[in-house]
This record gives sequence, C-alpha cells and structure tokens, in this order.
Amino acid sequence: QKEVEQNSGPLSVPEGAIASLNCTYSDRGSQSFFWYRQYSGKSPELIMFIYSNGDKEDGRFTAQLNKASQYVSLLIRDSQPSDSATYLCAAASSNFGNEKLTFGTGTRLTIIP
Amino acid sequence: DAGITQSPRYKITETGRQVTLMCHQTWSHSYMFWYRQDLGHGLRLIYYSAAADITDKGEVPDGYVVSRSKTENFPLTLESATRSQTSVYFCASLPPGYQETQYFGPGTRLLVL
Repeated sequence: QKEVEQNSGPLSVPEGAIASLNCTYSDRGSQSFFWYRQYSGKSPELIMFIYSNGDKEDGRFTAQLNKASQYVSLLIRDSQPSDSATYLCAAASSNFGNEKLTFGTGTRLTIIP
Repeated sequence: DAGITQSPRYKITETGRQVTLMCHQTWSHSYMFWYRQDLGHGLRLIYYSAAADITDKGEVPDGYVVSRSKTENFPLTLESATRSQTSVYFCASLPPGYQETQYFGPGTRLLVL
C-alpha cells in the first residue's frame, strides 16, 4: 500500500511568518508531487506541483522535493489569514503517473492575525 | 461556465436505498475519477475511468457502481446505501499532458441514516 504521510496539525502560524508543511511518501518511484489547498466545505484546489529535486517557487509559495529522502515540503512566506486551510500533499503513482494519486490526510493550517 | 459540476450538492438518504451521484465535465477530459473524503482517511479513490466505456476500481470500490457512456458524464451509484458510506464525494478529471494534474468538482455531501 503506497502511502503519503502528513502531520495533521493543527499548525498555527502568526500572520506574516513562514508556514512550513511537510510530507513523506513511500512509493520510491513517484515522480510527481502536488500540493492542494482545501478550504472548509470546499473542494481541493491545486496550488503547486513539483517534479524535480530542489526548490520551485511561485509567488509566496515554495515547494521543495528531496527524492532521496522521499520528502516534500511547502513553504508559505508572509502568511495571510486567507492561507488558513487544510493542505493536502499528493504523490503520483510510479506505475500509473498522474492517473493515480495518493493523498495524505492533510495538515490544517491556521494563520493567527 | 466550463468545469466540473456535481449534483446533488447535498443528499440525505436511508440505509438500503439506491443513490446516484452525478458528475459532468465540459472539458472533454478522458480521465475522470470518484473520491470519497472522510476524517482521518483523506481522499480515497473509489473508481476511475480512462475513457467512455472504460472504468476500473480504485482503493475502496465495494458498494459502488459506475458507468461512463459519454465522455462528459461519470455517475456514481450506491446500490444499497450503508451508514459507512456517509461521506463527502468528489469527482475529478485529468487534462491530457505529462505535467497536468487532477481538478476537482465542488463535491456532494451524502448522509445515510
């Protein structure tokens, strides 16, 4: 059973600080990783994807991937109250690619004004 | 507007009844998916479809039936609803292309009494 593990939180971060969300995965052959944001009562929406080792930046968001350690993280700089949500990490299957995603249970993030 | 729609958005039913959840996409994506989301389990794949008339089981298919006679529709049927099927159900589709990922509909909240 391929797994994706996340700390469930809640993670509380002061407004303006950096929020750091972490994820580990068990499928060593996974090539693609995704971060979804899910507001309460809403559907998941994609905010970042990463395929290569290292960092990928998009505005206030930075995704980090370390395939050797099977570790993915998401950094949110200058955290805003609107960033309060649950963040889901997903890994694509090594056999089926993006057609089969394994999701973590999510980390609930609260930004404190 | 283009995208994925789900209906109904909320449904209350009784144990033993048949329930069908509808999913419609306007993008003509080949791949479509059904997930359920429960506290502590995250998103779990129920069934997916690679194209019209092609469907396959996911992680938790028992008690569910799907069909896909048209590319744009992917209904999910609970043949005889059980309380354990109380959940939030999300439909998703996957655009073509290596660097694409799944996009989710708004979800259906189902309560089985």
